[in-house]
Amino acid sequence: GAGVSQSPRYKVAKRGQDVALRCDPISGHVSLFWYQQALGQGPEFLTYFQNEAQLDKSGLPSDRFFAERPEGSVSTLKIQRTQQEDSAVYLCASSFVNNEQFFGPGTRLTVL
Amino acid sequence: AQSVTQLDSQVPVFEEAPVELRCNYSSSVSVYLFWYVQYPNQGLQLLLKYLSGSTLVKGINGFEAEFNKSQTSFHLRKPSVHISDTAEYFCAVTSGGYNKLIFGAGTRLAVHP
Repeated sequence: GAGVSQSPRYKVAKRGQDVALRCDPISGHVSLFWYQQALGQGPEFLTYFQNEAQLDKSGLPSDRFFAERPEGSVSTLKIQRTQQEDSAVYLCASSFVNNEQFFGPGTRLTVL
Repeated sequence: AQSVTQLDSQVPVFEEAPVELRCNYSSSVSVYLFWYVQYPNQGLQLLLKYLSGSTLVKGINGFEAEFNKSQTSFHLRKPSVHISDTAEYFCAVTSGGYNKLIFGAGTRLAVHP
């Protein structure tokens, strides 16, 4: 497809479960971002990749959050031992270096 | 540190009326400014951006915004709204580099017939 895709679109997890959220960026886009959007709030930066290198992870809220992009294309955001406060929409965006970010539809995570 | 304030959490308006969504930012360095729109259960779509040059920026769907450096504002305007403009609107700022975006809390525009 032409756009950024994310899967799953919806995820329900029991507290304490591990989850993995996938992002397929636009082909050829070097930069990849993850944002967290809590209900009624604007997106907040989590982490940034340039190709396979994670250059900024300053927004990850705790060490339970881990992101990777091993081949510089698909990225996975993993959350270990999920907590209720992790419930949010997780948005992925990609861009060619220093250009417009294109956002995916997001994954809505609900932790019960 | 950069921050963005969207002064109105909700803006109700009648169809075909004009609308202005307000955005103020704080930054000690030069900034790039953006407006995004988010329809229900969808990702963010870029409406318009200010990088440099003319302070009046025109975007998609008839929206425009004016960069005002002295007032540190970047308000979004449309002269005549449609029902289909009902959505959440986010103002965002970045200082460049790799363009990590800092977003405001959003303004929900509700267009009524």
